[in-house]
Amino acid sequence: SQKIEQNSEALNIQEGKTATLTCNYTNYSPAYLQWYRQDPGRGPVFLLLIRENEKEKRKERLKVTFDTTLKQSLFHITASQPADSATYLCALRSGSARQLTFGSGTQLTVLP
Amino acid sequence: SAVISQKPSRDICQRGTSLTIQCQVDSQVTMMFWYRQQPGQSLTLIATANQGSEATYESGFVIDKFPISRPNLTFSTLTVSNMSPEDSSIYLCSVAPGQGYGYTFGSGTRLTVV
Repeated sequence: SQKIEQNSEALNIQEGKTATLTCNYTNYSPAYLQWYRQDPGRGPVFLLLIRENEKEKRKERLKVTFDTTLKQSLFHITASQPADSATYLCALRSGSARQLTFGSGTQLTVLP
Repeated sequence: SAVISQKPSRDICQRGTSLTIQCQVDSQVTMMFWYRQQPGQSLTLIATANQGSEATYESGFVIDKFPISRPNLTFSTLTVSNMSPEDSSIYLCSVAPGQGYGYTFGSGTRLTVV
């Protein structure tokens, strides 16, 4: 069955360091992989999208990599700040389907 | 990107009653999605709603329990019927943009069934 796993439920890092979050998937051929941020009591907010034929995408302090051989995406936040503390979700979309399938999320806490 | 207005933002309901959640989008969209997020869990897709046709439900979700309306390209409702405490969750609507864009979510409805 299709499965999406994110590395750990919780990740604590020191302010200024780089946070690295992992998303692994099995039995899936995604056309797109997306990362979202979710704050408590709010809906997810889109951050970055990477296509199956792309290796890396950047946006300001964010970087996403996508390795379809390893079936893995890495999400990096450089120069992390306490305001980056949130739950980060990866989501996959196959070529034929329009709906997203979400991973379990990683709760990131950036300590001042 | 689209802006979604979802209401109510929260409600406390009695067991056995029904609640209808509304989502209004500021632009026309073909597909709308309804998700459930149980406490401490990730999002699970309930159904996909297209305008002018029956919603498509995911495994484990049925129309009698979660009827959906999609009367036009900017509006949809999800009803949680005959509620039990197990239905206590956050319910979210979402719209799909064009190819290659991120999805937009409503702010969610936090439902507590007592």
